[in-house]
Amino acid sequence: AQSVTQPDIHITVSEGASLELRCNYSYGATPYLFWYVQSPGQGLQLLLKYFSGDTLVQGIKGFEAEFKRSQSSFNLRKPSVHWSDAAEYFCAVGGGRGSTLGRLYFGRGTQLTVWP
Amino acid sequence: NAGVTQTPKFRVLKTGQSMTLLCAQDMNHEYMYWYRQDPGMGLRLIHYSVGEGTTAKGEVPDGYNVSRLKKQNFLLGLESAAPSQTSVYFCASRKPGSILNQPQHFGDGTRLSIL
Repeated sequence: AQSVTQPDIHITVSEGASLELRCNYSYGATPYLFWYVQSPGQGLQLLLKYFSGDTLVQGIKGFEAEFKRSQSSFNLRKPSVHWSDAAEYFCAVGGGRGSTLGRLYFGRGTQLTVWP
Repeated sequence: NAGVTQTPKFRVLKTGQSMTLLCAQDMNHEYMYWYRQDPGMGLRLIHYSVGEGTTAKGEVPDGYNVSRLKKQNFLLGLESAAPSQTSVYFCASRKPGSILNQPQHFGDGTRLSIL
């Protein structure tokens, strides 16, 4: 069965501090992995994606994510958080037979608060 | 660039009322999706469509119907609204092909409250 676990519902960091958002997945095929960001009142924007190759992937807005197959994890990181990064972040998995249909399975999200 | 446009943005209904949510995309995308987003549960797929005139059920289709009469529009209907359908509804669209190369584009959502 496919599932995505984001264990942290809410994270608070100070501006300029580093950030790591956790994501663990369970998927029956080789996974395609994604991180999306949702700002208040807006839809989801794709931050980065991963399927194969270098396990450290770079995305937009200075974010990166590391894929660890042994841990079934795809954690999102940013070295220095800006106040504008305050948003909700979703990890998602897809692929295998569902890849052409584009079906994604989302985690419950992590709300990020940034203190000035 | 409009992208994916959802109307209305907000709506309050009474139990038993019906309504239709409209999703319109101007990117000539074949595939379209309807999700609902509930607190602590992320996004769940309600229905999707891989082309004009075709629809299919997702994870949580009960209580909803959809239609794709025109390629650019994907309608989500609630025939008899229930409080359990209070949620934020998102529409997305994409081109055919691998989701890695053709990611989903999302609208800004419709916030629906059922009293």
